[in-house]
Amino acid sequence: EVQLLESGGGLVQPGGSLRLSCAASGFTFTTSVMSWVRQAPGKGLEWVSVLSGSGGSTNYADSVKGRFTISRDNSKNTLNLQMNSLRAEDTAVYYCAKASGTYDWHFDYWGQGTLVTVSS
Amino acid sequence: EIVLTQSPATLSLSPGERATLSCRASQSVSSYLAWYQQKPGQAPRLLIYDASNRATGIPARFSGSGTGTDFTLTISSLEPEDFVVYYCQQRSNWPLTFGGGTKVEIK
Repeated sequence: EVQLLESGGGLVQPGGSLRLSCAASGFTFTTSVMSWVRQAPGKGLEWVSVLSGSGGSTNYADSVKGRFTISRDNSKNTLNLQMNSLRAEDTAVYYCAKASGTYDWHFDYWGQGTLVTVSS
Repeated sequence: EIVLTQSPATLSLSPGERATLSCRASQSVSSYLAWYQQKPGQAPRLLIYDASNRATGIPARFSGSGTGTDFTLTISSLEPEDFVVYYCQQRSNWPLTFGGGTKVEIK
């Protein structure tokens, strides 16, 4: 059974940093493209970032480029999102999601999400 | 950036009725469009990928169609658990984008 379990969310002040993690199991993590998608309270879905299986290829939404860094540890089946210079508009539930294929960037499995609140 | 516009924002129907949800792209996405269902407090669930392919375990009452810029998600006969929110997503161009969602509510 595929499982994605996010952790690391919480309350942080504007300008602060937070590191999210996603523990994956039940599939071949090392070859899977992984992504972060967020959802602000009461709003729709927003794609944040994607990372290739090898970790060598990344892409980011303009809204987070230069502030967020996606990474993975294939030895631990873990996906990470380092978030710096956080803003109030980054407040959201952050979902870890698995892409269906190397070039099939729709998401067949999702975690339950972790809430990040940016507020003073 | 490709903008996906979903309509209507809210669809009011009764159980057993047919639901037709629309997703229009600001430029062609070929067939690289997916549909998701999201229940309150839950993560999205993939329903349809590449415009018309049902994901694993998705009931046959869900179907997708379209190509280019105009896409449709059809629910042939609404079940009580179908009254939730639906999103479309394109994977044709970076950045990946989602539509704003359609809420299907009980009339």
